[in-house]
Amino acid sequence: EAGVTQSPTHLIKTRGQQVTLRCSPISGHTSVYWYQQALGLGLQFLLWYDEGEERNRGNFPPRFSGRQFPNYSSELNVNALELEDSALYLCASSSSGGSYEQYFGPGTRLTVT
Amino acid sequence: GQNIDQPTEMTATEGAIVQINCTYQTSGFNGLFWYQQHAGEAPTFLSYNVLDGLEEKGRFSSFLSRSKGYSYLLLKELQMKDSASYLCAALMDSNYQLIWGAGTKLIIKP
Repeated sequence: EAGVTQSPTHLIKTRGQQVTLRCSPISGHTSVYWYQQALGLGLQFLLWYDEGEERNRGNFPPRFSGRQFPNYSSELNVNALELEDSALYLCASSSSGGSYEQYFGPGTRLTVT
Repeated sequence: GQNIDQPTEMTATEGAIVQINCTYQTSGFNGLFWYQQHAGEAPTFLSYNVLDGLEEKGRFSSFLSRSKGYSYLLLKELQMKDSASYLCAALMDSNYQLIWGAGTKLIIKP
């Protein structure tokens, strides 16, 4: 069974640009979570999608947005990039109604210069 | 409010035993997860406790006390590869969202 996949693996952008990160959950999982992890810091919750709907969002500005598609894959969009957006962006999926264990993808390393 | 606390860093010796503590204060609680994260990699699942008590899984064990809002992860026969960050996370019963601790960086010395 394939795990959670994310693309791209690495990305370098400049301040003010926009970026789109992609995530495909494990087959059968309907929930997708996005996290930001700055170097050496803990996981910061960004967004939670389930069945195509945004269920909750963390304490991030509106320039962080996303969506979930009918096949449960998801995109995270970040507009007007700032230097402090440089981080590892992790996507996780889970099956609602189960143990709610989250399975993580390998992450996208975003560097903003 | 919701808060999860764990030590920032711990050091232990190869072959020894280490206990990583996690305390939580949440308005609703369903269960407690432990994840392992090696530097630069994604977190991987270690354990999930719903009921009070100790659950053993090989060299790793996890304990939960719901009345005390307390959990610990016990690692035995430490190996160098156990050097990683260990994250605890509480599952909320209101919306089934995970609330994450900041992680404990475990350093294993020969």
